Amino acid sequence: KNQVEQSPQSLIILEGKNCTLQCNYTVSPFSNLRWYKQDTGRGPVSLTIMTFSENTKSNGRYTATLDADTKQSSLHITASQLSDSASYICVVSDRGSTLGRLYFGRGTQLTVWP
Amino acid sequence: EADIYQTPRYLVIGTGKKITLECSQTMGHDKMYWYQQDPGMELHLIHYSYGVNSTEKGDLSSESTVSRIRTEHFPLTLESARPSHTSQYLCASSSGGLSTDTQYFGPGTRLTVL
Repeated sequence: KNQVEQSPQSLIILEGKNCTLQCNYTVSPFSNLRWYKQDTGRGPVSLTIMTFSENTKSNGRYTATLDADTKQSSLHITASQLSDSASYICVVSDRGSTLGRLYFGRGTQLTVWP
Repeated sequence: EADIYQTPRYLVIGTGKKITLECSQTMGHDKMYWYQQDPGMELHLIHYSYGVNSTEKGDLSSESTVSRIRTEHFPLTLESARPSHTSQYLCASSSGGLSTDTQYFGPGTRLTVL
């Protein structure tokens, strides 16, 4: 069964600290993996997208890694800010095609305290 | 900021009412999608469209219906709302296929059926 599991479910950190969120998946065949940020009451916004051949991608203070062999990805946030408080969602696509589908994780709820 | 809009943002209605959730995008995207999201849970695809006059049901069974008469407009209708329909509804669009391209999400409509 294709699944996407994220950990931790929730995380609280102090402003300025770094953190790492995890995503494990069993989706096969694999096409790409995306990380989205979803602020409370808003729609998700794309942070990064990685294909099979990419093992790291950065977007400002966000750095995503991908290990396609172990089917794991992480999202590292550097020097956290209060505005980083949100849910971070891992989304995995099966083999890219018009008929392909997306598998969503339940997200990690990050709270950054001052 | 993605140019995709949803109205209303919040809606509280009584059981049995007919409602239409509006979604419009100004990016000229052919592909549009409706997702349902409950708190702390993953997004579930309920409808999608690959272009005008094209609509398909998604992975999650839904009693709602959709239409795509214009490229920029993808409304979702519930003929007779029930408390089980209480949820957040997210509209998205993309220029590529479901699993190949980044989706841009609207802010969502939070529906409560009493």
